[in-house]
This record gives sequence, C-alpha cells and structure tokens, in this order.
Amino acid sequence: EVQLVESGGGLVKPGGSLRLSCAASGFTFSSYSMNWVRQAPGKGLEWVSSISSSSSYIYYADSVKGRFTISRDNAKNSLYLQMNSLRAEDTAVYYCARDGIAAAGTALRGMDVWGQGTTVTVSS
Amino acid sequence: EIVLTQSPATLSLSPGERATLSCRASQSVSSYLAWYQQKPGQAPRLLIYDASNRATGIPARFSGSGSGTDFTLTISSLEPEDFAVYYCQQRSNWPPWTFGQGTKLEIK
Repeated sequence: EVQLVESGGGLVKPGGSLRLSCAASGFTFSSYSMNWVRQAPGKGLEWVSSISSSSSYIYYADSVKGRFTISRDNAKNSLYLQMNSLRAEDTAVYYCARDGIAAAGTALRGMDVWGQGTTVTVSS
Repeated sequence: EIVLTQSPATLSLSPGERATLSCRASQSVSSYLAWYQQKPGQAPRLLIYDASNRATGIPARFSGSGSGTDFTLTISSLEPEDFAVYYCQQRSNWPPWTFGQGTKLEIK
C-alpha cells in the first residue's frame, strides 16, 4: 500500500524549532518529487516547500524562506522539514504529499498521495 | 505570485444536481492546474491534473476543463459523498504553486 506518514508535530514556543518527518512506503520514494503543504485552523491549503527526487531542486514559499529547510534521505525513504524561528502564524496541520508521475513517465502536475498530517502549534 | 480566485465561495445543491466550480488565475498557467477535494478531518485528494485529466480512481462524473486563466471543475450528478471543499492549485513552471481559497459544496 502506498503510504505517507508524518510525525514530529507538537507544541512549541515562538522562536523555537521543530523537525517534521514523513516516512514513505509502498513506492519507489527516490523517483518522486515531494512537497510540504500546510493548513492553518479553519483555513485553506498553503504550499510550503518542494524538493525534487535527487534534491537537485528545492523551492520555498516566501512565508517560510530562510526559516524552513526541506530535505530528504532516499536511503531511508524519508522526507523532512526543519522549521526554525517559528511564529504563531506557522500554526497548522502540515501534510507531506507526493508529486505524481503519469503513465508515460512524465511529471504529473498534481499531488497524488498525501499523508494524514501532523499538527504544529506555536504558542507561548 | 499567481493568485487563484475560486467561485463561488459556497455552492448549495442537492444530490443528483450538476455542480460547476470556477477557478480563475491572475495570469496564464497554461493547462497546469489541479483540483483537490477535502472532507473534514481528512487530507486532500487529487481529482484532476493538467486541467482535464482525472487522477487514478476518480469517478467519471468529475471532469475538468479550461486553459490559460479560466478553469472549471464539473460534477455531473452529485452523490452524497461529493459534498466537501474543493481547491484548485496552479502548477506553472515556477513556484510558488499557489492554491485557491476553496469552494465549499454543501447540501441544499
């Protein structure tokens, strides 16, 4: 079964740090670009960061640039998000999501597998 | 940054009716637009990619159309399980890959 399982969320004080993990199973993790997407309480979805299959390309939303770092370990089938200098506005459910690959082997411009999310709360 | 505007914010319909959801981009995204469905307490689910391609396992009653700046998600005949929030996301060549604010499809 194709699966993504996030962990590492919790309560942290403003200015603090947290590291999220996403464990992948059931597919060849090293072949896929991966993403982090977040959703603040009662709000819509916000794309946070993406990393290509070999980590050659990394992108961030302006709202997290310079504070968050995405990384992956293909040997461990794992995706990470290091979050520093956390702010109250970073409070959200954080999802990891896989970029799909179409049948022809080309990039499918959509996130076809999602984890269940991990909750990050930034509060004093 | 490309801004996506979804309309309406809320759509009230009955099972069996046809739903038409709109997503407008502030600049052209070619056909690089995806649609997602999200139910309360659940992760989003990919419905449509590249504007008109159904993702694996998505029923044929869901269809997407459009290109450039104007896109539509159509649900031909609503089933009870279709009532949820729907988001569009643009996947143009360069990030940020923004989402629309969502359309809530509710039972009338």
